[in-house]
Order: sequence, then structure tokens, then C-alpha cells
Amino acid sequence: AQSVTQPDIHITVSEGASLELRCNYSYGATPYLFWYVQSPGQGLQLLLKYFSGDTLVQGIKGFEAEFKRSQSSFNLRKPSVHWSDAAEYFCAVGANTNAGKSTFGDGTTLTVKP
Amino acid sequence: NAGVMQNPRHLVRRRGQEARLRCSPMKGHSHVYWYRQLPEEGLKFMVYLQKENIIDESGMPKERFSAEFPKEGPSILRIQQVVRGDSAAYFCASSPGTQTEAFFGQGTRLTVV
Repeated sequence: AQSVTQPDIHITVSEGASLELRCNYSYGATPYLFWYVQSPGQGLQLLLKYFSGDTLVQGIKGFEAEFKRSQSSFNLRKPSVHWSDAAEYFCAVGANTNAGKSTFGDGTTLTVKP
Repeated sequence: NAGVMQNPRHLVRRRGQEARLRCSPMKGHSHVYWYRQLPEEGLKFMVYLQKENIIDESGMPKERFSAEFPKEGPSILRIQQVVRGDSAAYFCASSPGTQTEAFFGQGTRLTVV
């Protein structure tokens, strides 16, 4: 069975500082990996995805993530955080037989200090 | 191209009533997924449907919950005899196939009073 762990429930960073959100997954084969962002009361917006190929993937809003098979990780990074990045971030792993059937982590809430 | 449309956005039901949540997938998408998000938690897969067929309902509670995706019209998630524990955000997602990501709607927030 697939699973996702986001070890950090809540992270606070200062505006302009760098950000890294951690994600570890468990899956028996090469997974599909996603990062989503959710603002309060809103739906999920896809930031980036990894299906195959280059293990460093670029997403929207200046985010990137790196797939490390040896560590079963897919950490999300941003070099300089903006106040508008404050939101909840979810990592998800999709089955390689059906990318839409995903297992989500419990999320990391990002607070940005002025 | 409109995104995944869910309605209503907010739904209040008294205990014992029925809740019907609707999802219109993106144009050209024949695969629909329903997820539930309990407060302070991530999304949990409930059911995967294609037109007129339930493909995978491994995440659906065994009782009171049902889903359909008819040939014409939106996909419906139905919850009968709602209880307080059903209060959650219910998200629908759609995709054109199984080897691509699914796109999420804005969700329906169900409150049971």
C-alpha cells in the first residue's frame, strides 16, 4: 500500500527566506508524485508533478521539487518566499496504474512572517 | 475551458437528511474521482468512476454512501441519513485518462447540524 508522510505539521519562515517542505513516500514501484497548495476554504492547485525523467522538476509560482529514489523523498523548495505563499501544502503519491487515485499526506501549514 | 465544477459549494444538512453533491468534470474528461477531507487532515480517496461505471470504491464507507456518473449529467455523491461525522469537505477531480494528473474542483463543504 502506498503512503505519504509530511513530517512538519507547521512551518514558519520570514518573507524572503528560503523554504523546504519535506515529503517521504512509500510505494512499491516508481510513483507519480505531486505537490498541491490549498488556501483556506479553497480547492487544491497543482504546483508540480513528477512522472518520469529529470528528477528536478520545476513548477508554478517559483517552486521546484526533487525526486530522490534512494531516500523515497520528494521535497518542495522555493528560494525566496512571498507573503502570498502562506497556505497549506500537500504532497501526494499516485499509483502508476492510475495517477488520479492518489494518497495524500496530512499537509504542512506554511506561515510567512513579514 | 471551464475547470471541474462542484455544487453546491456549501451544504448544511440536519442529521438524518440526505446530501447530494454534484460534480461536472472538465470537458473531455471521462474519469472522475471523489475525495473527502476531514478537518485538519489530508484528502482521502473515496471512489473512482468512469461513465456509467464504478471502477474503484475501495475508499467508500460501506453504508450510506453511494456514487454515480451517468451517461448524461454530472457525477453525484450521495450520503444518506447524514451524521455529524460526515461533516467535511468533499472534493471531486477529473482526468482524461489514468496516466495523467487529475484536476480538482473547489469542493463542497458539508456541515451536518
